[in-house]
Amino acid sequence: GAGVSQSPSNKVTEKGKDVELRCDPISGHTALYWYRQSLGQGLEFLIYFQGNSAPDKSGLPSDRFSAERTGGSVSTLTIQRTQQEDSAVYLCASRTSGSGGYTFGSGTRLTVV
Amino acid sequence: SQQGEEDPQALSIQEGENATMNCSYKTSINNLQWYRQNSGRGLVHLILIRSNEREKHSGRLRVTLDTSKKSSSLLITASRAADTASYFCATGSTSGGGADGLTFGKGTHLIIQP
Repeated sequence: GAGVSQSPSNKVTEKGKDVELRCDPISGHTALYWYRQSLGQGLEFLIYFQGNSAPDKSGLPSDRFSAERTGGSVSTLTIQRTQQEDSAVYLCASRTSGSGGYTFGSGTRLTVV
Repeated sequence: SQQGEEDPQALSIQEGENATMNCSYKTSINNLQWYRQNSGRGLVHLILIRSNEREKHSGRLRVTLDTSKKSSSLLITASRAADTASYFCATGSTSGGGADGLTFGKGTHLIIQP
């Protein structure tokens, strides 16, 4: 597609449930990033995929968070046993290799009740 | 930890006036980027300035970079109501690390009064 697509746009879940967030990057973009943004805050880096290399998971806040990227394209961020502090907007971005600006999706607003 | 810190945290001006936002950072950088965010959703890339550049223009946007002071400014000229948004600076670090070292500040919330 023309942009980065994220789904769902909104997700309300009960504490303790697992959630999956999806990101469809721009076709041909080799780099894909997940960020988390809490209300009124900046972006917190979660995980980074570059081509076929092992992902950089250094930003994942706990072992309840995991992500995969299948076929170098679509990525899924999974949060297990959700907690209220997981409530945030989860943003996905992609770009071509090398330096340059990121293209962001519209995000998934996750609310854990 | 935050690398880029925007200043001010919030700014309200009249339509037609110029808006200036500042960003300070701590470590050496490859590049510095500015993004706009509307309604707490996806960020839009505005402009990238490399560490060997001092000034860059794009439409009504002017970005300066002073690597000796580790600071950057974003100037929006002739502001419009549609410029109301949060503006973030993001730094690409030479030290590598997560996400190519691109670290975002907490943003400046700009309000343009009609």
